[in-house]
Amino acid sequence: DTAVSQTPKYLVTQMGNDKSIKCEQNLGHDTMYWYKQDSKKFLKIMFSYNNKELIINETVPNRFSPKSPDKAHLNLHINSLELGDSAVYFCASSHQGTDEAFFGQGTRLTVV
Amino acid sequence: DQQVKQNSPSLSVQEGRISILNCDYTNSMFDYFLWYKKYPAEGPTFLISISSIKDKNEDGRFTVFLNKSAKHLSLHIVPSQPGDSAVYFCAASAKKGAQKLVFGQGTRLTINP
Repeated sequence: DTAVSQTPKYLVTQMGNDKSIKCEQNLGHDTMYWYKQDSKKFLKIMFSYNNKELIINETVPNRFSPKSPDKAHLNLHINSLELGDSAVYFCASSHQGTDEAFFGQGTRLTVV
Repeated sequence: DQQVKQNSPSLSVQEGRISILNCDYTNSMFDYFLWYKKYPAEGPTFLISISSIKDKNEDGRFTVFLNKSAKHLSLHIVPSQPGDSAVYFCAASAKKGAQKLVFGQGTRLTINP
């Protein structure tokens, strides 16, 4: 009964591969996000979707493509992975118009 | 260009005493601020927030203070408990409900028995 769940929890892959991270929320929220926590520990927003519509795209390389099949899911697909993509990726969700987001447990992506 | 900074990477406090975590910001357009708490291998969880029209917000053992002129906010935890040991993130938004949070890099709080 996890509120925001993302899979996998750990992902190790080689440079150049394509990978996806899945996220689902069962809170009935309208808005979902992807955040990246880099090696310096800053959490930075990548994307937000509201009711399946892209709202925020923070100058993320177009190798990153979010997909929202419905408002309970926001998946992140990454093409041609690079070493610098290694980070922890957090999915989150919130009610429309609120900033108090609920986060998943994170996916640690390691590109070798 | 980090708009939200938490200059103390770590803080150690004795159980029962007050913990004070600090956060500075540079963007004068920020007017809504939040604190999140994060345990290892978990995602951040919302703790407390404050709007720029207030200078203090209290919720149980947690109080957030905002000094707009200094562009500074702080989180006070009193009394500190061992379960408070976690990483605390400060976050800011240009408008309440804008749903675009800018986070600091976190402060690791350790409560010693």
